[in-house]
Parts: sequence; structure tokens; C-alpha cells
Amino acid sequence: LAKTTQPISMDSYEGQEVNITCSHNNIATNDYITWYQQFPSQGPRFIIQGYKTKVTNEVASLFIPADRKSSTLSLPRVSLSDTAVYYCLVGDLNYGQNFVFGPGTRLSVLP
Amino acid sequence: SAVISQKPSRDICQRGTSLTIQCQVDSQVTMMFWYRQQPGQSLTLIATANQGSEATYESGFVIDKFPISRPNLTFSTLTVSNMSPEDSSIYLCSTGGNTEAFFGQGTRLTVV
Repeated sequence: LAKTTQPISMDSYEGQEVNITCSHNNIATNDYITWYQQFPSQGPRFIIQGYKTKVTNEVASLFIPADRKSSTLSLPRVSLSDTAVYYCLVGDLNYGQNFVFGPGTRLSVLP
Repeated sequence: SAVISQKPSRDICQRGTSLTIQCQVDSQVTMMFWYRQQPGQSLTLIATANQGSEATYESGFVIDKFPISRPNLTFSTLTVSNMSPEDSSIYLCSTGGNTEAFFGQGTRLTVV
């Protein structure tokens, strides 16, 4: 399974756009990139998933360059409720969802 | 999507005893996974549980310590056996769909 590297923590202010970058130099051809969000005392929750280029949904965008060795999660106009830990995961979906979780990025949104 | 219910949500147990954590999914799923998350840390996969076969354990986790049952496609249990304070942690079950994984709320275990 590809190892991922993310910043340990980030601070932002309400209303700003937040970009969290994840490095996954050893990503395999069949691997997808998935981001999860975790609040205290809750299980992780799916945010977005992609294979290449750009993916956008109602909560975030995911940018993946052509070499796929990194990805960037973009959260538009964050609010205090976006304070959470964000995990970047890489894996082959054909082998199920038994992910290897890295340390994640602890995002703090300040008023 | 899948909704996962875990019980108990938390417990305080005496060392040397065992606790069984239940995980119920609202739909039939092939694979279920058990994770451990220590306070302030990331998730660590304990084992993969498929219905009708023995669970597959990750390095550092053994069946005698963490026996798992998977009697049907909607239910699984994880037992933490002969507990010690080092087992104090949050235990989560999850299942995978075609694109995303779903997690239970977790069981916060404190061993005293």
C-alpha cells in the first residue's frame, strides 16, 4: 500500500479557502485517492475520491496532477465546523477498503 | 451508503477481563474491518473479517487477543481479551462500498 505524507497541522480563518496537500510517491496504477474527515468521538467520514485530474462535489475539490504522486484537497470558505482531522488515503478499491491511515492533518479553523 | 451501529459506545473494564464489541450494518456487506485508534492518534487496522472465513489479522495483532466473529453479512464482533491498560483505546468497525468506506461511531474502551 502506498505511503502518504501530509502536514501534521494547519490553521485557517473562517471564510478562507484551505488547501491540504498529500504526497504519495509510490502510488500504484490501480490506486485511487480518497480523503476522509474525522471529528472527535466520531468515525471517519468520506469527503471525496479521485483517480486523476480534478474532482468536485458539494463539499470539496480534489486536484490530482498528471503524475499522481500528490493530491490536494481544497475546502472552499471553511467554517468553524470544518475543524477536524483530514486523512489522505491511497488504495486499490478492488481489495476492499482496508486502508492504511497516515497521521492525517489536523485543521483548526479560527474565528 | 451503509449505516453502522456499534455497541457499546463506551465502557470501563477491569484488567484481565474481556469485552465484546458488536457492529451491525444496515445492509449486507462482504468485507468488514476493525480498527483501533488511540487518543490523538490515527487509525490502525486490526483485521479484516469476511463472512464465512477466518479473519485476517495485521502485523502485531493476534486472534487469541482479538478474536473476531462474522456470522452473517450484516454483523461482526470483536473481542478484546485479557485486557490491560494498554488496550485502552477507541475501536471502530467499518465496511467498504465500491467507492467509499463507512465507519461506526467507535467504542471507547478504558481499562483500569
